[in-house]
Amino acid sequence: DAKTTQPNSMESNEEEPVHLPCNHSTISGTDYIHWYRQLPSQGPEYVIHGLTSNVNNRMASLAIAEDRKSSTLILHRATLRDAAVYYCILKMLEGGSEKLVFGKGTKLTVNP
Amino acid sequence: DTEVTQTPKHLVMGMTNKKSLKCEQHMGHRAMYWYKQKAKKPPELMFVYSYEKLSINESVPSRFSPECPNSSLLNLHLHALQPEDSALYLCASSQRTGRRNTEAFFGQGTRLTVV
Repeated sequence: DAKTTQPNSMESNEEEPVHLPCNHSTISGTDYIHWYRQLPSQGPEYVIHGLTSNVNNRMASLAIAEDRKSSTLILHRATLRDAAVYYCILKMLEGGSEKLVFGKGTKLTVNP
Repeated sequence: DTEVTQTPKHLVMGMTNKKSLKCEQHMGHRAMYWYKQKAKKPPELMFVYSYEKLSINESVPSRFSPECPNSSLLNLHLHALQPEDSALYLCASSQRTGRRNTEAFFGQGTRLTVV
């Protein structure tokens, strides 16, 4: 399976931007880059996804490198509620079925 | 309704018991998934169902038996589990597009303890 590499942990201050990096050097041409986050005691929650172009939604922005070997999730103003484990995932096809294989993720701590 | 509902929320079972976990969604999604998550670890994929048929089994032991009786329901039957099977079991669903550009919706999980 294609792999992603993320820092184990990052820290941010409230109301400051946060840039969460992800390396995915083995990405194939048709793999989508997905980000999910998991708040304590909850199931994972979708954040954003992209293929080649940068993407924005109400939660975050996703910046994808031109060679697609890395990406960065940007939280524009971190809040205490953004403290979670953030997973960068390459969504792949196997036997015609889609699957999400989680990497180790980055635990984000937000300081007040 | 964008919810995936899992029941029960907590389950304690003995090693000789038989129990089932239930997952339900009413979003018309045709792909459904079971994941297992140990404490402080990422979710691990167990099974993928596509159009009610098992399409991916990630070499899961036979004491875990999935079932998809219809497009809204996904069950995980448990039998003769071991204490190391204690974990959070997560269900997820997504539209079946085969194009990898759809989001998955996760339930809150069932916290299973095997004694």
